[in-house]
Amino acid sequence: AAGVIQSPRHLIKEKRETATLKCYPIPRHDTVYWYQQGPGQDPQFLISFYEKMQSDKGSIPDRFSAQQFSDYHSELNMSSLELGDSALYFCASSLGTAILSGNTIYFGEGSWLTVV
Amino acid sequence: QKEVEQNSGPLSVPEGAIASLNCTYSDRGSQSFFWYRQYSGKSPELIMSIYSNGDKEDGRFTAQLNKASQYVSLLIRDSQPSDSATYLCAVCTESSASKIIFGSGTRLSIRP
Repeated sequence: AAGVIQSPRHLIKEKRETATLKCYPIPRHDTVYWYQQGPGQDPQFLISFYEKMQSDKGSIPDRFSAQQFSDYHSELNMSSLELGDSALYFCASSLGTAILSGNTIYFGEGSWLTVV
Repeated sequence: QKEVEQNSGPLSVPEGAIASLNCTYSDRGSQSFFWYRQYSGKSPELIMSIYSNGDKEDGRFTAQLNKASQYVSLLIRDSQPSDSATYLCAVCTESSASKIIFGSGTRLSIRP
């Protein structure tokens, strides 16, 4: 079965550069979530989209922005990168929002961002 | 206080024994509860979801939910070395229906 696809899997950027991560949800899934997981930490919610509209916002820095496109894929844009942005970035998708019983959230394999 | 609390462990359990993982949450409006397993450097993998009070069993896994006590647990029977991982408790609240909030995870180690 098709899963959540993230690209690139690994990315190395220098401080103050810009990075873009892409997420392709499971076919027919209309909700996308972005999480950031630092070394040894739990995944922190950044932002989510439902039907191409932002549905919730978490601890996403102002330097970051994201959007969901008409084909439901999503991109996370990160500017003025800092060393502390080095983390594993997960995208997840679901059919409908998480609150509804039976809606399972599936995670992609993640994109490793290293800022040097 | 974190919204979702877990004992960070490590929890060491002999092979074949029952591993018991616990989680408490602060928002009484929480509706959906999930247990994810995460191997180092890998993405979280859904193990169990539970929405109503009581027990839910799936193979060697049993999730238990007690909304009055704001407590959810995961039991792993006949523990295998491959069960060694970090187990993340996650909650979806009524006020934040479009996200799930993770606990910090419990590291489980199954010793042969």
